[in-house]
Amino acid sequence: GQQLNQSPQSMFIQEGEDVSMNCTSSSIFNTWLWYKQDPGEGPVLLIALYKAGELTSNGRLTAQFGITRKDSFLNISASIPSDVGIYFCAGNNYGGSQGNLIFGKGTKLSVKP
Amino acid sequence: DGGITQSPKYLFRKEGQNVTLSCEQNLNHDAMYWYRQDPGQGLRLIYYSQIVNDFQKGDIAEGYSVSREKKESFPLTVTSAQKNPTAFYLCASSIIPSGANVLTFGAGSRLTVL
Repeated sequence: GQQLNQSPQSMFIQEGEDVSMNCTSSSIFNTWLWYKQDPGEGPVLLIALYKAGELTSNGRLTAQFGITRKDSFLNISASIPSDVGIYFCAGNNYGGSQGNLIFGKGTKLSVKP
Repeated sequence: DGGITQSPKYLFRKEGQNVTLSCEQNLNHDAMYWYRQDPGQGLRLIYYSQIVNDFQKGDIAEGYSVSREKKESFPLTVTSAQKNPTAFYLCASSIIPSGANVLTFGAGSRLTVL
């Protein structure tokens, strides 16, 4: 079946640092979504991308839909403590079975001790 | 405020018992979904429903059952046949079956089997 590889699996951030994570798929997607999940809560949508090459910002977050339609990245600039959590990418190619939004395994952001 | 309400937030179950997790949405969304989340596993689709009185199996439907008698409600029953039910369960909805639209998630229910 379709696979989404999300990396890194985890990372430690220091306040003020920029953060980058990405997802690659084994097939073409028509939609890329980025969600953030706080501990014990449901994921919340950060950014939705619908077009190859699209670059979208939401405050300190920037995400891009790769030109090949098989990848996407999310950047967080000048990180702050409340950025910790798990970030998920998700993609859909419409051609799959209805409801089949595919999720990456997540990137866990923690604060450097 | 519109949203998705899941209950209970925490649930403990003895082995051999069925339990039902509630999911209600007031977003007037057509489609509803149940996902299971295990540490390091991401989200895996259990069941989804695009319309009342109809639902489809996802990737890991074995040991689970659902119903969709009302547009706003999509309860999930974890049966005794589910071999490893301890997990975090997430309900979601979307305006149309997930194509160009995005999923809105509830706050989740954590099930622990004792």
